[in-house]
Amino acid sequence: DAKTTQPNSMESNEEEPVHLPCNHSTISGTDYIHWYRQLPSQGPEYVIHGLTSNVNNRMASLAIAEDRKSSTLILHRATLRDAAVYYCILRRDSNNDMRFGAGTRLTVKP
Amino acid sequence: NAGVTQTPKFRILKIGQSMTLQCAQDMNHNYMYWYRQDPGMGLKLIYYSVGAGITDKGEVPNGYNVSRSTTEDFPLRLELAAPSQTSVYFCASTLPDPNTEAFFGQGTRLTVV
Repeated sequence: DAKTTQPNSMESNEEEPVHLPCNHSTISGTDYIHWYRQLPSQGPEYVIHGLTSNVNNRMASLAIAEDRKSSTLILHRATLRDAAVYYCILRRDSNNDMRFGAGTRLTVKP
Repeated sequence: NAGVTQTPKFRILKIGQSMTLQCAQDMNHNYMYWYRQDPGMGLKLIYYSVGAGITDKGEVPNGYNVSRSTTEDFPLRLELAAPSQTSVYFCASTLPDPNTEAFFGQGTRLTVV
C-alpha cells in the first residue's frame, strides 16, 4: 500500500498562511490524495482531495507536485479554530481499506 | 441527512464485560470502517466492510468482531473487554469511488476498568 509521511507537528501564527506537507513517494497513478482534519475531541472531517491538479475549496487549497510524490495543504489565513491534527491519506479503486498515519498536529498561536 | 451516527457517546465497562458499539449511516454508502484512537495517537483501522455481508480485518482486529447485515449499520462487538481496549472509537463511511469524501461519526469514548 502506498504510504504517506507527514511531520509530527507544526506551528503557525494566527492570520498567517500555513503550508502542511505530505510525502507519498510510492503513489500510483490512480491514487487520490485526501486530507482530513480532526479538531480536539471531535471526529475527523474532510478537508480536500485531488488527483493531479491543484484544488481549491472554501476551507483550503491543495497543491500537488508535478511528479505527485508530494503534496501541500495550504490554509491561507490560519485561525485559532484551525488548530487540529491534519491527516494526509491515499485512496485508490483497488484498495478498499482506508488507513491513517499519525498526522501533523497544527498549533496556531494568537 | 444525519450522516454517520454512533451510539453510545460514552461508556464504562468492567473487565470481561461485553458490549456493542453502534454505527449507522443514512447516505447509502457501501464502505464502512471502524477505527480506534488512543490518547495522542492517530487512527488505527480495526475492521472494514465494502458492503452488506462482507467484512475484513484491518490493522488491529484482535478482541473485536463485526457484522454487516444491512447497508446502513455496522456494529462493533467487544466480547471480553480488557483495559487495553480503553480508547475512542470512530466509525466512518464512504462510497467506493476514491474521488469521494469519507464521513466520520463523533466517536464513542470507552473506558474499561
